[in-house]
Amino acid sequence: AQRVTQPEKLLSVFKGAPVELKCNYSYSGSPELFWYVQYSRQRLQLLLRHISRESIKGFTADLNKGETSFHLKKPFAQEEDSAMYYCALQAAGYALNFGKGTSLLVTP
Amino acid sequence: KAGVTQTPRYLIKTRGQQVTLSCSPISGHRSVSWYQQTPGQGLQFLFEYFSETQRNKGNFPGRFSGRQFSNSRSEMNVSTLELGDSALYLCASSLSQGSNSPLHFGNGTRLTVT
Repeated sequence: AQRVTQPEKLLSVFKGAPVELKCNYSYSGSPELFWYVQYSRQRLQLLLRHISRESIKGFTADLNKGETSFHLKKPFAQEEDSAMYYCALQAAGYALNFGKGTSLLVTP
Repeated sequence: KAGVTQTPRYLIKTRGQQVTLSCSPISGHRSVSWYQQTPGQGLQFLFEYFSETQRNKGNFPGRFSGRQFSNSRSEMNVSTLELGDSALYLCASSLSQGSNSPLHFGNGTRLTVT
């Protein structure tokens, strides 16, 4: 069975501080991993996926197969980063499976 | 290009009734997925349709059903509503199945069961 765990329901950081949103997964195969974000009053949207190895809005995420993690990081948080962040896993032939989300609050 | 459109935006029903929710995907998208979002459980997968065929189904009772039409539009139906069915129901479309096609979400239908 696939499982995605986001251990923090709420994460509060100051503007300019580094931020790391944790995501751990359990899956015996090779997963595809994603981060989705939902800003206030906006629809849920894709932020980045591990296969692209890209940086979006200053965020990066590295897949660590040894630790089965896919943590989302940004060196300097901005107030506009405040949102709900969901880590998601897709196994071959299965639907996208989401974690329960972490609410990020960036305060001035 | 218009985004994923879900109707209605809000619904209030009483226990025992049934409800139908509608989803129009982005033009050209052939895959539609449905999720239930609640504060306690987050996003839980309901079903996925591709070319009018159900490709995946989540762990929900048979009261939850869905279908996809030839124009890729999708509907989901919940019969014999229970209080616990109160949730935001999200529809997402993608070009095709698989991880190479990211999901594009609608704004959701907020269902309240009283």
